Amino acid sequence: KAGVTQTPRYLIKTRGQQVTLSCSPISGHRSVSWYQQTPGQGLQFLFEYFSETQRNKGNFPGRFSGRQFSNSRSEMNVSTLELGDSALYLCASHRNTDTQYFGPGTRLTVL
Amino acid sequence: AQRVTQPEKLLSVFKGAPVELKCNYSYSGSPELFWYVQYSRQRLQLLLRHISRESIKGFTADLNKGETSFHLKKPFAQEEDSAMYYCALSPSRGNAGNMLTFGGGTRLMVKP
Repeated sequence: KAGVTQTPRYLIKTRGQQVTLSCSPISGHRSVSWYQQTPGQGLQFLFEYFSETQRNKGNFPGRFSGRQFSNSRSEMNVSTLELGDSALYLCASHRNTDTQYFGPGTRLTVL
Repeated sequence: AQRVTQPEKLLSVFKGAPVELKCNYSYSGSPELFWYVQYSRQRLQLLLRHISRESIKGFTADLNKGETSFHLKKPFAQEEDSAMYYCALSPSRGNAGNMLTFGGGTRLMVKP
């Protein structure tokens, strides 16, 4: 069974731009969760989508948003990028409340 | 609010020595606790969860509700255990159970 895939793997943007990251879950998994990983704050929960609906949300500003499509693929968007948004963004797919399987991450650098 | 603390950023032991990676949590309820591991150049993966009560790769972890701890233990460390270990917590209430709160992580180095 193919694992979770994330595209792109690396991104470089400048302050003020916006970015969209993509996550394809494991086949049959309907839930996708997103996490931000930084050296200072560690791994932090962003949001979770289930059946195209946001089910849970972490403590991040409204510049961070996401969506999920009918095939369970998910995207997250960050608008008006700030230097502090530089991070590794991980997505995880799971069957409802089961084990979360993580993707390799997208490394975002904001200059 | 829930919080997970891993007091050691780095733990270095010799091969064959016992290992204990500490994890303390705060949560007003009955949480689910997990240990995730990330080996070099690999993705984050689940090592074990407390409700399974199983031993994976020789590792065990016991949930101590009185001390609010979930320490990870292995009696004899192997070099291949060298990795980054994260303790994580999720609420056990329904769909909120997918919101993982992670500790800061402990890097385990097993020396030959």
